[in-house]
Amino acid sequence: GAVVSQHPSRVICKSGTSVKIECRSLDFQATTMFWYRQFPKKSLMLMATSNEGSKATYEQGVEKDKFLINHASLTLSTLTVTSAHPEDSSFYICSARDQGTSSGANVLTFGAGSRLTVL
Amino acid sequence: QKEVEQDPGPLSVPEGAIVSLNCTYSNSAFQYFMWYRQYSRKGPELLMYTYSSGNKEDGRFTAQVDKSSKYISLFIRDSQPSDSATYLCAMSTQAGTALIFGKGTTLSVSS
Repeated sequence: GAVVSQHPSRVICKSGTSVKIECRSLDFQATTMFWYRQFPKKSLMLMATSNEGSKATYEQGVEKDKFLINHASLTLSTLTVTSAHPEDSSFYICSARDQGTSSGANVLTFGAGSRLTVL
Repeated sequence: QKEVEQDPGPLSVPEGAIVSLNCTYSNSAFQYFMWYRQYSRKGPELLMYTYSSGNKEDGRFTAQVDKSSKYISLFIRDSQPSDSATYLCAMSTQAGTALIFGKGTTLSVSS
């Protein structure tokens, strides 16, 4: 089945630094990837839709300049949290859809998530 | 009113019990319905996928969609301690679009 790899799984950084999270589709190509954020005991909140070769589409309330998304290839999307602050501490999860699935299918495969802690 | 409502629980049951989890939604355009299971500090993994209304069964799991009532359910038969996790319902209007998630229900199955 489709596998999405996310790295790093856990990162701790100082306030003001930037952190990059990678999301790779290992055995399929994904023109679109989705980045979610999850707070403790809360649901997954869609942050942005990452489109290969073009700009990401951000959800309302998500700062484009703080959460930089790059989707340079069909198997890799990156999320960079710039000038991180303690309130950015969260669980970030990426997902992708296997284009090889039958039409009408809308199954998203998720990465294992990256837990960011900003001190 | 949020688009997708799900009781966060927690729900505690003994091993072997039948578990019923459900979500309600407000957007009648939702056509694709999924249930994901998430273990602590892990990404969600797909359990069941249903298109439009109807039932779908896979082993001990049964998913039901009632679009007229805007209500979906997940039943777990013969629950096991390994089923202890958070169960998230998710749905979307079109194929290939992002999913809208419920809050998730935390389930604990005791042996």
